[in-house]
Amino acid sequence: DQQVKQNSPSLSVQEGRISILNCDYTNSMFDYFLWYKKYPAEGPTFLISISSIKDKNEDGRFTVFLNKSAKHLSLHIVPSQPGDSAVYFCAASAWGFGNEKLTFGTGTRLTIIP
Amino acid sequence: DTEVTQTPKHLVMGMTNKKSLKCEQHMGHRAMYWYKQKAKKPPELMFVYSYEKLSINESVPSRFSPECPNSSLLNLHLHALQPEDSALYLCASSQDRNTEAFFGQGTRLTVV
Repeated sequence: DQQVKQNSPSLSVQEGRISILNCDYTNSMFDYFLWYKKYPAEGPTFLISISSIKDKNEDGRFTVFLNKSAKHLSLHIVPSQPGDSAVYFCAASAWGFGNEKLTFGTGTRLTIIP
Repeated sequence: DTEVTQTPKHLVMGMTNKKSLKCEQHMGHRAMYWYKQKAKKPPELMFVYSYEKLSINESVPSRFSPECPNSSLLNLHLHALQPEDSALYLCASSQDRNTEAFFGQGTRLTVV
């Protein structure tokens, strides 16, 4: 049972445009969400997080939106740069369990076209 | 220092070998993790250490044996592995169990 789903395995975006990566979850206990970026042969790098008390969090070019009623979150990258080409994982956890129950999605490969 | 360092980066071992993976962090994090990642799959949690004590073992076979000698170090001892254990093994740490985890670069393990 995949509790965190990233339904788009891949996404191609023109450099300078907005990249939107989507993530859906099924477990209503999840209340803390993270995005990680992963280059080949490297470990995931933490990008940005959001807790369920907020619906938006920004950090530079990265913004995460959370729609609790739809159990959906998205990561917006604007403007997209070639160095953003990587696999992006969303992850979720529940308060009280923290990283001990961090559940990852299957990832979306983002390719930025120069 | 905001790094989690894993050694070795690559490891090839036979099914009768004994080897160890090492992980080190100097961020003062009190939670450390081992994950396993197969190709095109998300990372899967194996073990969690909190304040140097094993708090989670996600039903991992006994041929994988974790050890936390101190708050900065985490080892994963490997013995009698199978070819299907070939994967990227990731170490991570976090300040506590409820803050974002930082990952190392991983050890690419191949069992022959």
